[in-house]
Amino acid sequence: QLQLQESGPGLVKPSETLSLTCTVSGGSITRSTYYWGWIRQPPGKGLEWIGSIYYSGSTYFNPSLKSRVTIFLDTSKNQVSLNLTSVTSADTAKYYCASPTEAFDMWGQGTMVTVSS
Amino acid sequence: EIVLTQSPEFQSVTPKEKVTITCRASRSIRTSLHWYQQRPDQSPKLLIKYASQSFSGVPSRFSGSGSGTNFTLTINSLEAEDAATYYCHQSGSLPHTFGQGTKLEIK
Repeated sequence: QLQLQESGPGLVKPSETLSLTCTVSGGSITRSTYYWGWIRQPPGKGLEWIGSIYYSGSTYFNPSLKSRVTIFLDTSKNQVSLNLTSVTSADTAKYYCASPTEAFDMWGQGTMVTVSS
Repeated sequence: EIVLTQSPEFQSVTPKEKVTITCRASRSIRTSLHWYQQRPDQSPKLLIKYASQSFSGVPSRFSGSGSGTNFTLTINSLEAEDAATYYCHQSGSLPHTFGQGTKLEIK
């Protein structure tokens, strides 16, 4: 069974780039049909889809974040990575990765990121 | 962008009650609608996928129905452990979107 574990810096300064990784165990990130998503949740608020990547490398992003987001597969480490540039306090949230279908069957435990100087 | 509107946003219920949560989409998403349960300080957990397919390991008291723009999550015989926030999510049209959530309080 797939297990997902997000990791990254808990604190990022405004205007800097947020980099997170989702380490996957129990299956290859390039397994056919696998679909990986990044979703975030500001404190006390609802869920927002950031973007997704297929096993093939095709990516899709939320238009509200598209100009700042990169998602890629690191096959050597079996990780799915997220970069978010030019962060502001509005990017303070818990960040989750989810997979392996578009229904987001499995989620990691999430990693909290605070944007503050 | 497809907007998902859940109702109610909050409900206080007693154990063994039957609960119905609705999710309305701003345009048709066929059956590409999924339901999650999120307990406090936990990750969301998939309950129902593609409107009515029960996810593995989910108690049988949870069921889903609907297609097009109107969807329902039903919890039969509510248990104390069902206290949580429930979200719908559509994957039928990019960008993926989520409903605003329904918080269930157990009396």
